[in-house]
Order: sequence, then structure tokens, then C-alpha cells
Amino acid sequence: KQEVTQIPAALSVPEGENLVLNCSFTDSAIYNLQWFRQDPGKGLTSLLLIQSSQREQTSGRLNASLDKSSGRSTLYIAASQPGDSATYLCAVRPPNTGFQKLVFGTGTRLLVSP
Amino acid sequence: GAGVSQTPSNKVTEKGKYVELRCDPISGHTALYWYRQSLGQGPEFLIYFQGTGAADDSGLPNDRFFAVRPEGSVSTLKIQRTERGDSAVYLCASSLNGGTTYNEQFFGPGTRLTVL
Repeated sequence: KQEVTQIPAALSVPEGENLVLNCSFTDSAIYNLQWFRQDPGKGLTSLLLIQSSQREQTSGRLNASLDKSSGRSTLYIAASQPGDSATYLCAVRPPNTGFQKLVFGTGTRLLVSP
Repeated sequence: GAGVSQTPSNKVTEKGKYVELRCDPISGHTALYWYRQSLGQGPEFLIYFQGTGAADDSGLPNDRFFAVRPEGSVSTLKIQRTERGDSAVYLCASSLNGGTTYNEQFFGPGTRLTVL
């Protein structure tokens, strides 16, 4: 059974810092990995999706890397801003359960202080 | 509509009651998913529809949970004889289709269910 773990569970940083969020998964045979942002009382917003054949994806100040063989992904946020405060979730699509099911980690709660 | 919508946004009910949660997917999306997110946890998969049929309902916790999508668009998640442990945020997502590797799911804001 695929399990996804995110470390740290919570992170508090001052504005302007660069930071890294970690995601690990137990079964390296995945179709893709996706990073989401969740704001309180709101749904999930997709940030980056990395196909299994890719090593990284970038969008603005965000960069996500994927190392399938070691079962790890990182989300790098450059020059953090208070507006980045949210919960960040990673999710994988494992092949043995079909194309459709996402398996999520428990998330990292990020607080960026002005 | 522009995105996935869910109603109600909040639902408070008493133990033992029946509830229905509604999801309106993005227009034209054939695949629809339900997830449940308990406090402090990531979302957990419940059920996936491709068109009108439930292609994968392996995440439904027991037979008190049932979901339908009769016309291949709007979906309703139904919970009978609610229990306090059913309290969670129920998230709905849709995607253009469900059968390809690249298949981005777009999520609604969720329905927060509280069972007293």
C-alpha cells in the first residue's frame, strides 16, 4: 500500500527566506506527483505536477523536484512571502490502483511572518 | 461554471441522520472524484466516477456511504445513519477524463460535515 509522508508537519519562517518542503512515498512506481496548496476553508489548488519521466517542474518562485528511485520529492519556495502561508500537500498517483486515485500526504503547514 | 462547486459549504447534523452532499464539476469533465479529509490529515480517496458509473468505489468506508452521478455531471454523496466519526471535510474534484496518465484533478472548496 502506497504511503506518503511529509516533513516537517509545520514550519514557521520570516518573510524573504527560501525554504524546502519534503515529501516521501513508499512505492517508487508512480505515474506522477502533484503539489497542492490548501487555504483554510478552501479547496486544493494545484501548484505543480511532475510526470514520472520528469525530474523537476518550475512555476514562478516554486520549484518541485522528483527522485522516483528514492521515493522523494521536494518543493522549493524562493523568497517566501506572507501570502505563501497555507498548508502544502503532495499527492502521488500509484499505478497499482489505476489511473484515477490520488494518495495524499498529511501536509506541511507553512506560516510566513512579515 | 468556472470551477468545481460544492453545496452546502457547511452541514451540521445529529448522529443517526441522513445527509446528502452535492458536487457540480467543471463543465465537460467526465471524471469526478470524492475525497474525505479529517482534521490534520490529507484527503483520502472515496470514489471515482467515469461518466455515470462508479469506476472505483474502493475508498468508501462502509455501506452507509453511497454516491450517484445519474446524468454524468452533478454527483451526490449520501451518508446514512451518520456517526460522529463521519465528521470531516468532503472534497469533490473533477478532471477532463479519467483514463490517461496526465489527468489533473481540480478541487472544489469542500463541504464541512459535523455530526453532533
